Amino acid sequence: VQLVDSGGGLTRPGGSRRLSCTASGFTFDKYSMNWVRLIPGKGLEWVAYIGRSSTDIFYSDSVKGRFTVSRDNAKKSLWLQMGNLRAADTGTYYCTTAAFDFWGPGTPVVVSS
Amino acid sequence: EIVLTQSPGSLSLSPGDRATLSCRASQSVGTSLVWLQHRPGQAPRLLIFDATDRVTGVPARFSGSGSGTDFTLTISSLEPEDLGIYYCHQRAKWPRTFGQGTNIEIK
Repeated sequence: VQLVDSGGGLTRPGGSRRLSCTASGFTFDKYSMNWVRLIPGKGLEWVAYIGRSSTDIFYSDSVKGRFTVSRDNAKKSLWLQMGNLRAADTGTYYCTTAAFDFWGPGTPVVVSS
Repeated sequence: EIVLTQSPGSLSLSPGDRATLSCRASQSVGTSLVWLQHRPGQAPRLLIFDATDRVTGVPARFSGSGSGTDFTLTISSLEPEDLGIYYCHQRAKWPRTFGQGTNIEIK
């Protein structure tokens, strides 16, 4: 079982970045998925949820309207499109199953000028 | 939004000590609460789901209790590898929320 998240890096405030997560070793289309982030000095924060068929999607208030979560079950892939980035979005982003049984290693995002 | 308040903020204990971590919710979450361990440099790890059920492979020294608004994670006898930050998380309502964490240091 493996989740590999990628796409992190340095972005200027107001910019955009797309995170990816690729799954292997389990039946991806049977799992709802989350994005969770670790904010330095603050702890873990739930970011977004997407159901198995993409019908149900939810966001934290802090990212609603700026971030978009999507998935392609045929490609066993999950994405987080992040827009209008702020310094407060700096952190390590993890893709994880909704039940938290599988996690990616995390990808760091730094928003700074 | 449901606010989860964890206490204490940090614990410094010796191997073999008992650790008791608290998580209080601002409104009832039933038993829709999980506990996670986050060791430095690693991805978080699920320990307890549905407030009391231990994940397969998690040592028996970890146990969860509580329902409604008050929850406890107990580590009966600390091992050196138990250092890290422990988070509670509610899955009862949207938006999902985490507590701020309890940091366990091993003396």
